[in-house]
Parts: sequence; C-alpha cells; structure tokens
Amino acid sequence: AQSVTQLDSQVPVFEEAPVELRCNYSSSVSVYLFWYVQYPNQGLQLLLKYLSGSTLVESINGFEAEFNKSQTSFHLRKPSVHISDTAEYFCAVLDTGRRALTFGSGTRLQVQP
Amino acid sequence: DTGVSQDPRHKITKRGQNVTFRCDPISEHNRLYWYRQTLGQGPEFLTYFQNEAQLEKSRLLSDRFSAERPKGSFSTLEIQRTEQGDSAMYLCASSLGAGGLGSYEQYFGPGTRLTVT
Repeated sequence: AQSVTQLDSQVPVFEEAPVELRCNYSSSVSVYLFWYVQYPNQGLQLLLKYLSGSTLVESINGFEAEFNKSQTSFHLRKPSVHISDTAEYFCAVLDTGRRALTFGSGTRLQVQP
Repeated sequence: DTGVSQDPRHKITKRGQNVTFRCDPISEHNRLYWYRQTLGQGPEFLTYFQNEAQLEKSRLLSDRFSAERPKGSFSTLEIQRTEQGDSAMYLCASSLGAGGLGSYEQYFGPGTRLTVT
C-alpha cells in the first residue's frame, strides 16, 4: 500500500524567507508525485508534479520540488515566500492501478509580515 | 475553458436525511473521481469512473454511499440516512482518460461542504 507522510503540520515563516515543506512517501511501484495547494474554503489546485524525466520540477509561481528516490522524498521549496503563499499544502502519490491519489495530512504554511 | 464544478457548495442537513451532490468535470475529461476531506486531513479517495463505468468503489465508506455517472458526463454522489460523522468536504476531480502521463493529472472542483446536524 502507498502512503505519504508530511511531518510538519504547520510551518510559520516570515515574508521573503525561504521555506521547505517536507514530504516522504512509500510506494512499491512506479512513483508519480504531486503537490497540491488549498486556499481557505477552496478546492485543491495542482502546484507541480513529478511523472518522469528531470527529478527537479518547478511551478510557475516560484516553488520547486525534487524527487529523491533513495530518500523516498519529494520536498517542496521556495527561496522567498509571499504573504499570498499562505495556504495548506498537500503532497500526494498516485496509485496507477486504481488511479487514486493518496494524500498526506497536509502542511499549513503561515507567512507572516 | 471551465474547470470542474460542483453543486451545491454548501449543504446543511439533519441527521437521517438523504443528500445528493453533483459534479461536472472538465468537458474533455472522461475520468471522474470522488474524494472526502475531513477537517485537518488530506482528501481520502472514495470512487472513480471511466466514462459511465464505475471502476473502483471498494473505498466508499459504507453502503449508505453511492455514486453514478449515467451518461459519462456529470456525476452524482448520494449519501442516504446521513450521520453526523458524514460532515466533511466532498471533492470531485477529473482527468483525461487516454493513456499517457497526462491522464495522471487530476483537477479538483471547489468541493461541497456537508454539515449534518
């Protein structure tokens, strides 16, 4: 069975500081990994994904994540955060058989001025 | 290009009543998924459809839960005899059905928040 662990339930950080949100997964098959962001009272938005190819993937708003197979990790990073990045971030792994996403419990990023 | 839509956005019901939620996927997507999200948790997979066929339903939470997608377009999720523990956000997602990596990307709707009193 696949699982995702997000060790940090909350990450407070000051504006313009760097941030890393940690994600570790377990999977016995091919790995497809995703980060989703959820703003208050909204659905999930796909932030970035690792499907194949380069292990470093980037989003259009400055986030990046690196797939590390040996450490079974897919940590999300941003060198300088903005107030508008305040949201809940979910890491997920895809079960290619059932086509279902297994999510971690989420990390609340709180950017303070 | 419209995204995934869900209706209603909020539903308050009394325990024991039946509720039905609707999901309209992105028009060219033929896979449709339902998830449930409780407070402080990540979404939990419930079921999914490929066109009108329900290919996975073992994760539906009980026999009070059922889902349909009769014409392969919109889908409904029904909960019969609601209980307070059913209070949650119900999320719908869709993806391309053709093979290839593009079919692995799921796009979510805004969700329906159910409150059972």
